[in-house]
This record gives sequence, structure tokens and C-alpha cells, in this order.
Amino acid sequence: DTEVTQTPKHLVMGMTNKKSLKCEQHMGHRAMYWYKQKAKKPPELMFVYSYEKLSINESVPSRFSPECPNSSLLNLHLHALQPEDSALYLCASSQEGYGYTFGSGTRLTVV
Amino acid sequence: TQLLEQSPQFLSIQEGENLTVYCNSSSVFSSLQWYRQEPGEGPVLLVTVVTGGEVKKLKRLTFQFGDARKDSSLHITAAQPGDTGLYLCAGVFSGAGSYQLTFGKGTKLSVIP
Repeated sequence: DTEVTQTPKHLVMGMTNKKSLKCEQHMGHRAMYWYKQKAKKPPELMFVYSYEKLSINESVPSRFSPECPNSSLLNLHLHALQPEDSALYLCASSQEGYGYTFGSGTRLTVV
Repeated sequence: TQLLEQSPQFLSIQEGENLTVYCNSSSVFSSLQWYRQEPGEGPVLLVTVVTGGEVKKLKRLTFQFGDARKDSSLHITAAQPGDTGLYLCAGVFSGAGSYQLTFGKGTKLSVIP
């Protein structure tokens, strides 16, 4: 299995909702990442998990809360988002600095 | 923050023409990667270059890593409409006990039949 699977593919949520994005990989990669990508912009790093520990938080607002339950799973919990948080959220995994693999993303719309 | 300057940002060419995309930084990277991304999809890795001066070929695509590992280029020979897409360079560097991947702004390529 050489894929990163993200669910859901599309999500529409209100500003008072709580939702979660899920990411799964079975390549044995020990680093997992969340990126945010706005239209016509490159992906921007949000969080890095290394060996299931949060190692990097790129000054992301607390309404985004990551979780790494085990080495194969990565979640992003969303609460009280703003319309400007609408974007494509990408999950990726890698083994050390190699083998980066991205999921297809979750298209999030906040209304 | 490690910055990557990618140019040009937009490129529209006729089928059969050649093109080159550049990626430059003031930082030294552990490795540099090139991705292609289709609308609404995640980036797909094309190649990773690791050694200064390295050249890799992928059919009509040629990737070079600068001797100092601060810059890279992507050259496409005889572009086809199927090459249309967003091309992203990304640098890998280590820090804070993990590896980070930082993207350039991307080059949106349109190949006109």
C-alpha cells in the first residue's frame, strides 16, 4: 500500500460546528504532516508529527487541533472555524526526509 | 522559515516547445523535490534530487540540482498538452527533531495544442 488516504473528500461546515479530518497511511512512515492550501497558492505547513509526537506547530490557531492516535493515523479536529479557513487540507507522510506521499486532500468549506 | 523562489509563476507555450522552470533559495537543503499537482488533488512526487550537481531524467523531463544544493531546474522537452498542470518545487530540511518540506509558489504551465 503506497497511498495516503484522506476522508472526507469534501466537507461543508458551519462556524459553530465541530468536525474532524482523517488521514491514514500503511507505508510504515514515521512522520506525518498537515498542510493547508488556498486556491492558486502552494501548500503551507501546519503541523508535523514525528514518531507520533507533535514536533512542529507553525503558529496555527487553536481552532485547529491535531491528533496522532498511532503511527498510521493522523486527525485534524476543527472547531469554531472562520470562512477564511476554507481551503484544501492535505495530509502527507514520509520516512525521515524521503518518500513524501500526499493524500488527495479534503476540500473544506466553512459557511 | 526556508524560502524557495520559483519562476516563472505562469507559463503558456505551444505544443512541441521546450521550457525550463527554476527554483532558487539562499538555504542549503537536504534534498529538493519536484511535484505536479492537478486541480483538487494532492501533489504527486515527480523526482527527488539529493546530491549537488545531480541530474535526473524522467522521459521528457530533466531535473538538475545545483552544485551548492541551493537551486534546481526542471526542463521539459517537446511539451505536450498532457504536461499542463501546476509544478511545485519543494525543499527538505531538518530541524526541531523532524524534517520539513517547504514549497515554492509553483509554476502554472499551460501547453496549447
